Amino acid sequence: GQQLNQSPQSMFIQEGEDVSMNCTSSSIFNTWLWYKQDPGEGPVLLIALYKAGELTSNGRLTAQFGITRKDSFLNISASIPSDVGIYFCAGQLDGNKLVFGAGTILRVKS
Amino acid sequence: KAGVTQTPRYLIKTRGQQVTLSCSPISGHRSVSWYQQTPGQGLQFLFEYFSETQRNKGNFPGRFSGRQFSNSRSEMNVSTLELGDSALYLCASSPQYSGTAKQFFGPGTRLTVL
Repeated sequence: GQQLNQSPQSMFIQEGEDVSMNCTSSSIFNTWLWYKQDPGEGPVLLIALYKAGELTSNGRLTAQFGITRKDSFLNISASIPSDVGIYFCAGQLDGNKLVFGAGTILRVKS
Repeated sequence: KAGVTQTPRYLIKTRGQQVTLSCSPISGHRSVSWYQQTPGQGLQFLFEYFSETQRNKGNFPGRFSGRQFSNSRSEMNVSTLELGDSALYLCASSPQYSGTAKQFFGPGTRLTVL
């Protein structure tokens, strides 16, 4: 079946640092989405990408839809403590079915 | 607009019982999808309903079923519960059925099977 490989699995950040994560797939997707999930809550949509090569920003977040339609990355600039959480990429193909990556856990360096 | 609501938020059941979870999508949204989230398997697609019809189904046994009502509200049912069904069950709503529609998730129902 379709699988998304999301990396890194986890990372530690210091306030002010830039963060980067990515997803790759063996399948082509029509849409890539990035979500953030806080403990005990559902995923919150951060960015949606619809076209190969598209680069979209949402505040300090920037994401790109890969040219091959098989990959996407998410960058967070100048991280702040509330950026901590789990970030998921998701590819969308048939109807509204989403295939999710395993997630990237963002933690704060103490 | 109010977001996606799910009830109940927490549920404890025993093996062999059955359970029904409810999801109310964002007003005007006609598509509801259900996902199971576990530490081991991550987020897995269960099924999607649009205009009261199941449009897509994931790889789950027949014990997992769902339906959608004319007001777009959806219910998910799990019969003969197993320990492995313990999970966070999430529903997502979308305005239309397509490969490009944004999907918005509810807070989930945490099901514990003892």
